[in-house]
Amino acid sequence: GENVEQHPSTLSVQEGDSAVIKCTYSDSASNYFPWYKQELGKGPQLIIDIRSNVGEKKDQRIAVTLNKTAKHFSLHITETQPEDSAVYFCAASLAGGTSYGKLTFGQGTILTVHP
Amino acid sequence: GAVVSQHPSRVICKSGTSVKIECRSLDFQATTMFWYRQFPKQSLMLMATSNEGSKATYEQGVEKDKFLINHASLTLSTLTVTSAHPEDSSFYICRATEGNIQYFGAGTRLSVL
Repeated sequence: GENVEQHPSTLSVQEGDSAVIKCTYSDSASNYFPWYKQELGKGPQLIIDIRSNVGEKKDQRIAVTLNKTAKHFSLHITETQPEDSAVYFCAASLAGGTSYGKLTFGQGTILTVHP
Repeated sequence: GAVVSQHPSRVICKSGTSVKIECRSLDFQATTMFWYRQFPKQSLMLMATSNEGSKATYEQGVEKDKFLINHASLTLSTLTVTSAHPEDSSFYICRATEGNIQYFGAGTRLSVL
């Protein structure tokens, strides 16, 4: 089955700096790669996702890059703000047709943005 | 507002009792519901997948007789933890999907005394 590794486990940055979180996956058939933000005591919220037919996707301060050959993908947050502080999870799945499929999650990264 | 409503948000129960957790999709029909368990400071582990009207498919190591899943309608799925024990204390989260739509519930913190 799929295995997703996520690094770093904790990341501390100053407000305004950029933050990068990296994930690798094992199953070359996986084609859907979402990123989730989870605040304490809440369920994960999708912040950005990418499919394997593109190499990069951007949404305001958030971007995701995908390297299919190396089987890794990264989350980039620019101009970080204290409210970006949360746990971030990457995931991978084999999405078929209009379905996202069964997600395999990374271990999570605790991001702390210091004012 | 939340498009997946999960209740209760927190429950404390005695060992040996059963607890039911509900997930409702509010603005769409959840053809597939995924149930996850998350221990403190750990990632989400998939417990089971259910399609409306069908029996749930459980992941390896998850006891289907202990974690009963019902997905009788396109807007409601329930997870019942039967004869709960302290080791079942965890954060349980549902994820409802329909095609390209996917939303997580807010989670249920279960504490078994």
